Amino acid sequence: QVQLQESGPGLVKPSETLSLTCTVSGGSIDNYYWSWIRHPPGKGLEWIGYIYPTGSTHYKSSLKSRVTISVDTSKNQFSLNVISVTAADTAVYYCARSGGNWYYIWGQGTLVTVSS
Amino acid sequence: EIVLTQSPATLSLSPGERATLSCRASQSVRNYLAWYQQKPGQAPRLLIYDTSNRATGIPARFSGSGSGTDFTLTISSLEPEDFVVYHCQQRSDWPITFGQGTRLEIK
Repeated sequence: QVQLQESGPGLVKPSETLSLTCTVSGGSIDNYYWSWIRHPPGKGLEWIGYIYPTGSTHYKSSLKSRVTISVDTSKNQFSLNVISVTAADTAVYYCARSGGNWYYIWGQGTLVTVSS
Repeated sequence: EIVLTQSPATLSLSPGERATLSCRASQSVRNYLAWYQQKPGQAPRLLIYDTSNRATGIPARFSGSGSGTDFTLTISSLEPEDFVVYHCQQRSDWPITFGQGTRLEIK
């Protein structure tokens, strides 16, 4: 069955760039929408944005100026970049596959801490 | 942005009891509401979508109801593994938003 796995640094310094990759295994990245969602400590889940394999993207407006989601179909991967991070970006980051904007398949999540 | 407010924040019940969790939206989300279950150290798992449709493999003790701004997740008879966190999510309008979560704990 389809599985997702996030990878990337667990610690990022303030003002630097957070970069994560999600690897899709057990199925093709084609024909689905792929999202990033994060869960800050003590808060609710927060949708960040999605990408379609054609490269079409949609971001949460409050994050749009700092976030980029990209896709590499040859590697069956998609990625998240968040620039100019602050402590408020500390969270568990999940990649997920959606159907009709419901999230059926999730990665296990990766904790990213923003700290000097 | 549509704000989802879940109540209560923590619900204390015993195995075998009935659980009723609430999710209220700041404006109508029609029937575009889902519920997720999250166990410690795991990703959320989709339980219910479009208010009342159980996702594949979800036991019948889980049911959803509501419309517009008020929604309920009901667990008819609690099993020990149900004492975890539940999130609601709307897809009626961008951005997609989630509630703050309800923690179900053993009384």
